[in-house]
Amino acid sequence: DGGITQSPKYLFRKEGQNVTLSCEQNLNHDAMYWYRQDPGQGLRLIYYSQIVNDFQKGDIAEGYSVSREKKESFPLTVTSAQKNPTAFYLCASSELSGVASTDTQYFGPGTRLTVL
Amino acid sequence: AQSVAQPEDQVNVAEGNPLTVKCTYSVSGNPYLFWYVQYPNRGLQFLLKYITGDNLVKGSYGFEAEFNKSQTSFHLKKPSALVSDSALYFCAVRPSNTGGFKTIFGAGTRLFVKA
Repeated sequence: DGGITQSPKYLFRKEGQNVTLSCEQNLNHDAMYWYRQDPGQGLRLIYYSQIVNDFQKGDIAEGYSVSREKKESFPLTVTSAQKNPTAFYLCASSELSGVASTDTQYFGPGTRLTVL
Repeated sequence: AQSVAQPEDQVNVAEGNPLTVKCTYSVSGNPYLFWYVQYPNRGLQFLLKYITGDNLVKGSYGFEAEFNKSQTSFHLKKPSALVSDSALYFCAVRPSNTGGFKTIFGAGTRLFVKA
């Protein structure tokens, strides 16, 4: 899992609550990503950020929000607007080599969110 | 639509036998292809990638993959499987024409190596 940490490992949320998932990296990577993993499906991109104070929506951004105030941190908030938030959430980071398509992503250990 | 297909949900192989995990893709532009492995309740670990050059790419833990442009495939292989190779394997592609930040993942193939 390299130099990327995610916390907590397990998170339980009541309906109607917002929760924030932490992601920190010490790899000095510029780009960071949030993915959602559901059983039997590939990873789906929620948000990504290329630089501090900038981020872009991925394929399934509705009901989620992010911030990028520091290079090493990219927290994800799952809001009450997300209708089916139970999933495994993965954070990743990568260098920006100039040809971003070729950059390898390195993943954190994940946070499993369960809505009660 | 751009996509990645892993046609087998599960692959079973005996320890010591060669293994293949299949991946095909459909993208416009040059494809940059990746393989990742995931152990239970863990993040994905990078195995190897194809960017350009030699079609046979060697990666971590003895794995290799062959890029076949005409068949749009990028199958993962290992000459001799270990029980510890049992895990979930993801093929992924980064199309060169999407700004480089969007990765398309396959649904994953579970590899089970029997002792």
